[in-house]
Amino acid sequence: AQSVTQLGSHVSVSEGALVLLRCNYSSSVPPYLFWYVQYPNQGLQLLLKYTSAATLVKGINGFEAEFKKSETSFHLTKPSAHMSDAAEYFCAVSTNAGGTSYGKLTFGQGTILTVHP
Amino acid sequence: DAGVIQSPRHEVTEMGQEVTLRCKPISGHNSLFWYRQTMMRGLELLIYFNNNVPIDDSGMPEDRFSAKMPNASFSTLKIQPSEPRDSAVYFCASSFRGYAEAFFGQGTRLTVV
Repeated sequence: AQSVTQLGSHVSVSEGALVLLRCNYSSSVPPYLFWYVQYPNQGLQLLLKYTSAATLVKGINGFEAEFKKSETSFHLTKPSAHMSDAAEYFCAVSTNAGGTSYGKLTFGQGTILTVHP
Repeated sequence: DAGVIQSPRHEVTEMGQEVTLRCKPISGHNSLFWYRQTMMRGLELLIYFNNNVPIDDSGMPEDRFSAKMPNASFSTLKIQPSEPRDSAVYFCASSFRGYAEAFFGQGTRLTVV
């Protein structure tokens, strides 16, 4: 079984400040990990993904995440927040159990990011 | 590519009525997923198909829910009869075998009154 825990349902930062959104996962096999962003009344958009290559993954809009196996974590960061980063962010995990489970994502509960001027 | 296309974007229906949600996956993708999003339960996987065959429907809440994928370019999610607690945003997503990420449609916001 696989699961994801996002620490903090709401995170508030000032524009220009560091963004840190926390995600811990549980998986019995090597995981694939993702961060998605959802703007109001929109679908989910992939920010970045970890698929067992480099542990530091760079995504769109200046976001990056680091896979730490020893900590079972995949935290999302951005050095300097912008007003347009305000959205809900979801961490997700999937596993390749024979190939047919590709894309069967298990999501965390989401973190709403607020950016103050 | 146009991405995953869902219709309708919004649906308001009366309790007891049948509701059909539609999805066109990205061409070439062979896995399709239906998710439901609510404030209380977050994102839930309802069912997923691989090569048009249902692989896991353990997330379908009740027999009132059914999903079909008659071909590689079309899927439906049907609720009959609908109830107010079915009100949610329903997302369809697709992925290409060999890649791990899923691409989402814009969702259908269902309101059952």
